[in-house]
Amino acid sequence: KQEVTQIPAALSVPEGENLVLNCSFTDSAIYNLQWFRQDPGKGLTSLLLIQSSQREQTSGRLNASLDKSSGRSTLYIAASQPGDSATYLCAVDSNYQLIWGAGTKLIIKP
Amino acid sequence: GAGVSQSPRYKVAKRGQDVALRCDPISGHVSLFWYQQALGQGPEFLTYFQNEAQLDKSGLPSDRFFAERPEGSVSTLKIQRTQQEDSAVYLCASSPWVAGVTDTQYFGPGTRLTVL
Repeated sequence: KQEVTQIPAALSVPEGENLVLNCSFTDSAIYNLQWFRQDPGKGLTSLLLIQSSQREQTSGRLNASLDKSSGRSTLYIAASQPGDSATYLCAVDSNYQLIWGAGTKLIIKP
Repeated sequence: GAGVSQSPRYKVAKRGQDVALRCDPISGHVSLFWYQQALGQGPEFLTYFQNEAQLDKSGLPSDRFFAERPEGSVSTLKIQRTQQEDSAVYLCASSPWVAGVTDTQYFGPGTRLTVL
């Protein structure tokens, strides 16, 4: 059974710092891995989707990597801003069912 | 265009009441998913529709949970005889593709259900 773990559960950093969020999964047989952002009362927004054949994806200040063999993904956020404060969730797509981590709650202090 | 919408946004029910949660997916989207998200946890898969066909309901926690999508667009998740453990945010997502084709899912804002 696929299990997804995210570390740390919470993170607070000063504005401007670069940071890394971690996601690990137990079964490497995945179609893709996605990173989402969740803001209170606003649902989930997809940030990056990495296909199983890819190693990384970039969008603006965000970069996500995928290492299927080790069951790990990282989300790198450059030059963090207060508007980046949210909960970040990773989800692996195993035969269309998304299996989710519990998320990392990120606070960027001005 | 309009995204996925859900109603009501908040629902308070007394234990034992029946509730119905509505999802309006993005127009033309083939796939529709329901998820349950408990406080402080990631979402958990409940059920999947391809058009009007419910192809997977393996995540529904009990026979008190029932979902339908009769015309292949709007979907309703019904919970009978609600229990306190049903308290959660219920998320709906849609996708333009048949599941199995890797693509992102578009999420609604969720319905927060509180069972007293």
